[in-house]
Amino acid sequence: GAVVSQHPSWVICKSGTSVKIECRSLDFQATTMFWYRQFPKQSLMLMATSNEGSKATYEQGVEKDKFLINHASLTLSTLTVTSAHPEDSSFYICSARDVAGGPLDTQYFGPGTRLTVL
Amino acid sequence: AQSVTQLGSHVSVSEGALVLLRCNYSSSVPPYLFWYVQYPNQGLQLLLKYTSAATLVKGINGFEAEFKKSETSFHLTKPSAHMSDAAEYFCAVRPDSNYQLIWGAGTKLIIKP
Repeated sequence: GAVVSQHPSWVICKSGTSVKIECRSLDFQATTMFWYRQFPKQSLMLMATSNEGSKATYEQGVEKDKFLINHASLTLSTLTVTSAHPEDSSFYICSARDVAGGPLDTQYFGPGTRLTVL
Repeated sequence: AQSVTQLGSHVSVSEGALVLLRCNYSSSVPPYLFWYVQYPNQGLQLLLKYTSAATLVKGINGFEAEFKKSETSFHLTKPSAHMSDAAEYFCAVRPDSNYQLIWGAGTKLIIKP
């Protein structure tokens, strides 16, 4: 099946620093990738939709200048948390949609990245 | 607006017993419906999906779900629970018009020996 990887799987950083998270589709091309945030014991919250070669579409309430998304190729999207603060600590998950998929396609999820900001 | 409701944040069943995880959705149009499972410290995996081909959908690991339009439900079942089924289960709906998923809050399935 389709595989999506995320790197790093976990990261600890100091407050004020920036952290980059990579999301890769390993065996398929993805024109669209999604970035989610999951708080403890809560469901996934869609942050933004990343489209290859164009600007990401952010959900209401998500600061686009804080959460920078780049989708430079059909297999890679990155999320950069700029000037991270403790409240940004969370589990970040990406998913990717196969470019070859039609209306019945499925999102494939990465294993997630645990971010802890001290 | 579309929404997904999962009844029960925690469900506890004995090993070998029936598993029933409830999911109700609100949608003005027939949606695509999904069940995902998240094992501890792992990413989400697709269990099964409904795409209007058949109302009873069979997924992996012995799970199945039935789409009932009249009840706007898509409950997940498994005849006999196994210890390895302990995980968090998420129901999601995707409106026909785009590829974004709307998620339920999740149900943690606990299996008692």
